[in-house]
Amino acid sequence: KAGVTQTPRYLIKTRGQQVTLSCSPISGHRSVSWYQQTPGQGLQFLFEYFSETQRNKGNFPGRFSGRQFSNSRSEMNVSTLELGDSALYLCASHYQGGTDTQYFGPGTRLTVL
Amino acid sequence: DQQVKQNSPSLSVQEGRISILNCDYTNSMFDYFLWYKKYPAEGPTFLISISSIKDKNEDGRFTVFLNKSAKHLSLHIVPSQPGDSAVYFCAANFGNEKLTFGTGTRLTIIP
Repeated sequence: KAGVTQTPRYLIKTRGQQVTLSCSPISGHRSVSWYQQTPGQGLQFLFEYFSETQRNKGNFPGRFSGRQFSNSRSEMNVSTLELGDSALYLCASHYQGGTDTQYFGPGTRLTVL
Repeated sequence: DQQVKQNSPSLSVQEGRISILNCDYTNSMFDYFLWYKKYPAEGPTFLISISSIKDKNEDGRFTVFLNKSAKHLSLHIVPSQPGDSAVYFCAANFGNEKLTFGTGTRLTIIP
């Protein structure tokens, strides 16, 4: 069974630009969560999608948004990039949610210059 | 407000000995706890979990202990192997999808 895939793996943007990251969950998994990892804040929950609906949301500004498609693939978007958005963005796939184990992808390393 | 804390940023253990990684939490509403291992340039890999109704869960070389009264959990790895060198994160949730992670402990196994 293929694991969680994230594209692109690396991305360099400049301040003010916007970026879209993609995540394909494990086949059969319907829930996708997104996390941001930075050296200062560690791993922080962004949001979670299930059946194309945002079900949970972390404490991030509205510049961070996401969506999920009918095939469970998910995208997250960050608009008006700031230097502090430089981070590793991780996507986690789980069957339906709750205490189902979350399986992480390799992440997208975003650098904002 | 760091609800899940790993107070040791790093730990070095001799190969073959026991590694003990610790994690403390402040929110008594957490009812499910997990440990993940992370190598550089990879996403976290799930290791083991425990529900709040248990105080121990074992899977091969990995055992997680939960002390609810102390709001403390620990991960024991025995025997430690060189491939165990990685950053270990503990995480907790309320039975929903939002995982709250600790800051991680870098474990180095010395051959």
